Amino acid sequence: GIQVEQSPPDLILQEGANSTLRCNFSDSVNNLQWFHQNPWGQLINLFYIPSGTKQNGRLSATTVATERYSLLYISSSQTTDSGVYFCAEGLADSWGKLQFGAGTQVVVTP
Amino acid sequence: NAGVMQNPRHLVRRRGQEARLRCSPMKGHSHVYWYRQLPEEGLKFMVYLQKENIIDESGMPKERFSAEFPKEGPSILRIQQVVRGDSAAYFCASSPPVTSGLSYEQYFGPGTRLTVT
Repeated sequence: GIQVEQSPPDLILQEGANSTLRCNFSDSVNNLQWFHQNPWGQLINLFYIPSGTKQNGRLSATTVATERYSLLYISSSQTTDSGVYFCAEGLADSWGKLQFGAGTQVVVTP
Repeated sequence: NAGVMQNPRHLVRRRGQEARLRCSPMKGHSHVYWYRQLPEEGLKFMVYLQKENIIDESGMPKERFSAEFPKEGPSILRIQQVVRGDSAAYFCASSPPVTSGLSYEQYFGPGTRLTVT
């Protein structure tokens, strides 16, 4: 089965710092998504990125499918970036099912 | 274009009662997925449906849980005879048809938080 591993499990940042979150996956995918779950529990789509690089404001993501990892970059972090960041992958032959990692808990302090 | 809608947002049930959770996909999306997030855990896939069809229910508990996505109306996740262990956040997601040539991206609703007392 799919193994989705995220690191680090926890991250404490001072406001303004940059950080990199990693997601390792174990099989060929046709879907790789990053989400932010805010402290109110809402799940927000950040990136759909089965391969390549995308940027959205202070966030960017890169997936290297041949090496089975994806990275999420947060630059100039703000307190509103606090929450849990999940990556999730869908297998190429079972694209309907997303397998989530355990998440990275991020706390940004003022 | 409205996003994925779920209701109710919060639901309290006593043990033994039934819970009905509703999900309306984004306009133009015909695929619906349900996921469950137990307290302090990540999200787990439950079921994937298209209109009038269950495509993959490998994540559904064998008893008391059922899901449907009728030709008309929202998708329903039904939990019969709820127990305390069913307390969780239930998220619904939708995606466009694969044949549309669009991406496989899933869009998530705000979730329904079920509390069983």
